[in-house]
This record gives sequence, structure tokens and C-alpha cells, in this order.
Amino acid sequence: QVQLQESGPGLVKSSETLSLTCTVSGGSIVGPHYWNWIRQPPGKGLEWIGFISYSGSTYYNPSLRGRVTISVNTSKNQFSLKLNFVTAADTAVYYCASLRGGTYSPWGQGTPVTVSS
Amino acid sequence: QSALTQPRSVSGSPGQSVTISCTGTSGDIGAYDYVSWYQQHPGKAPKLMIYDVFKRPSGVPDRFSGSKSGNTASLTVSASQAEDEADYYCCAYAGTLWVFGEGTTLTVL
Repeated sequence: QVQLQESGPGLVKSSETLSLTCTVSGGSIVGPHYWNWIRQPPGKGLEWIGFISYSGSTYYNPSLRGRVTISVNTSKNQFSLKLNFVTAADTAVYYCASLRGGTYSPWGQGTPVTVSS
Repeated sequence: QSALTQPRSVSGSPGQSVTISCTGTSGDIGAYDYVSWYQQHPGKAPKLMIYDVFKRPSGVPDRFSGSKSGNTASLTVSASQAEDEADYYCCAYAGTLWVFGEGTTLTVL
């Protein structure tokens, strides 16, 4: 049973870079999956950020393009998110999730990130 | 790409059937059968309830069903129960990106 766990700072200063890592356990990151980041601002809905394949192919939400980078480390079974020039609007719970076919499952438990001024 | 349109809230009595709609465009729901639904209880991660429009993962009660017509997908909870009270999000493939719905709060009165 594949499990995902997010990790990273819970507080980031405005205009700096948000960095999070998702560790995949119970299975290999190498396979027919796409590894995603999704976020949820307080009291709001879900927003797809982007995904990466194990081979490094990436797709990003156009609304974030230019600020977001997703990378993969197959030797550590991890993938990571970097979001540059953050503002208060980037305050959210950040989830990592596996996409296979058209299905997001499983998800990590989520990690809250607050952008402070 | 705008979020898919869902009603903000729906409600029903225990045992009643409730339906949540999810309206997109000819570029997402209308174009592909990659429509999924997620249940989210407060403070928890979303849980997959329906995928590929109408398929149900193992472990999801059969009172949950999905369908699609044109640019609108629907999630029906028949004979709803107290534990079904949660937020529900639809999700659809839109070419090179994925888009989620705005979310619907289901209240079981």
C-alpha cells in the first residue's frame, strides 16, 4: 500500500521560496504514476499545482507557471515542490498525491504553510 | 482555466437521495471521461469516491454513484447517512492540466 508524507517548513516569509518534499513509501516512485502537488487555501477549494513523472516530465498549472518547479529524486523515493516569490495568497494546506489514470489516490495527510509578511 | 462549478451546499434527511452537480466545459468534462469525485471531512485529506465518471473504488459504499451528461457530471448519494456529511469535490482532466470544482458541502439533517 503506497503512502505519501509531506514535509517542510510551516512558515515562509513573503517574497521568499516555499520548499516542500513528499516521501513515497510502500512502493517505488518509478512506475506508471504522476506525482502531484495540490493545495487548499483556508476555507477554500482544491487547486492543482502540477505533476512530475518519475522520468522528470512536468506539467504545471498555468496560473502558477514561472513560479513553480517540481522535481523528483528516484534514489530517495521523493519528489519536491518549490514555489518562488510567495505572497499571502500562497498560504494553504499543501497535499502531495499520486495520479494514475484519472485517479488521485492516495493523498498525503497535507502540510499547512503560512506566508508571513 | 476556471474551477468547475458546483453548488455551495446541498442537504437531505437520512435515507434520502442527494445529487451534487459539477459543470465544466467542452474542454474538460465534455471532452474526457476522466471525472473523479473526492470526499473531504474537516481537517482530513480528500478521499477518492468515484473515478472515470462512474467507477467506484473498492471499499466505497455502493450508495455513491457517478454519471455524466454533456459538460456536467453528477455525484449521487442514495440513502444518505450521517457519516456522508462532508465536503465533496469533483475533478476533471482538461488537456494538459487538471481542474477541481469549487466544492459542495453535504449536510445530512
